[in-house]
Amino acid sequence: GQQLNQSPQSMFIQEGEDVSMNCTSSSIFNTWLWYKQDPGEGPVLLIALYKAGELTSNGRLTAQFGITRKDSFLNISASIPSDVGIYFCAGQLGYSGGGADGLTFGKGTHLIIQP
Amino acid sequence: GAVVSQHPSRVICKSGTSVKIECRSLDFQATTMFWYRQFPKKSLMLMATSNEGSKATYEQGVEKDKFLINHASLTLSTLTVTSAHPEDSSFYICSAREGAGTEAFFGQGTRLTVV
Repeated sequence: GQQLNQSPQSMFIQEGEDVSMNCTSSSIFNTWLWYKQDPGEGPVLLIALYKAGELTSNGRLTAQFGITRKDSFLNISASIPSDVGIYFCAGQLGYSGGGADGLTFGKGTHLIIQP
Repeated sequence: GAVVSQHPSRVICKSGTSVKIECRSLDFQATTMFWYRQFPKKSLMLMATSNEGSKATYEQGVEKDKFLINHASLTLSTLTVTSAHPEDSSFYICSAREGAGTEAFFGQGTRLTVV
């Protein structure tokens, strides 16, 4: 099946710095999603991208859906302590009807912020 | 966003017993629910997709006789881990969506420990 390569695996940054992470795939996805997961909780959707080339912002977060449909990046500007957590990219084929289109997740980027 | 509630949040059971995990959509009707499994510090892996009133579709390598999924109503899906073994210990997360092409919302997860 599809695999998503997410990098970096972990990041140690200073508060206030910008953060960038990305995902690449060996095959095409029709939807890219970025989630944040806190320990012991389910993932929470940050940004959803539905069109190739789409650039979307949500506060300090910006994500883009690559033109080739095989990649996406997430940027976080001016990081703050509550940004700590694990960020996952996820791709979805999005079959029409059927419903057999669960998400394929990247391996996650563990963000650690040093005050 | 919509609320998906998972119960219990934590469960400890003895080897050989069965455990049922519930996933409820609280403010919408979920035609499709997804079940994921997450090992510590790992990504989420899709186990199965269930459509209300139909048999679940299992991903390759997931034993359908071991992980029984029932989606009997538009607001409830259950995952039963039968004859649990210590290697079944994991974080199980469900997600639910109203229809094809709509956003899927995640539950808060269930930490299963088999002793």
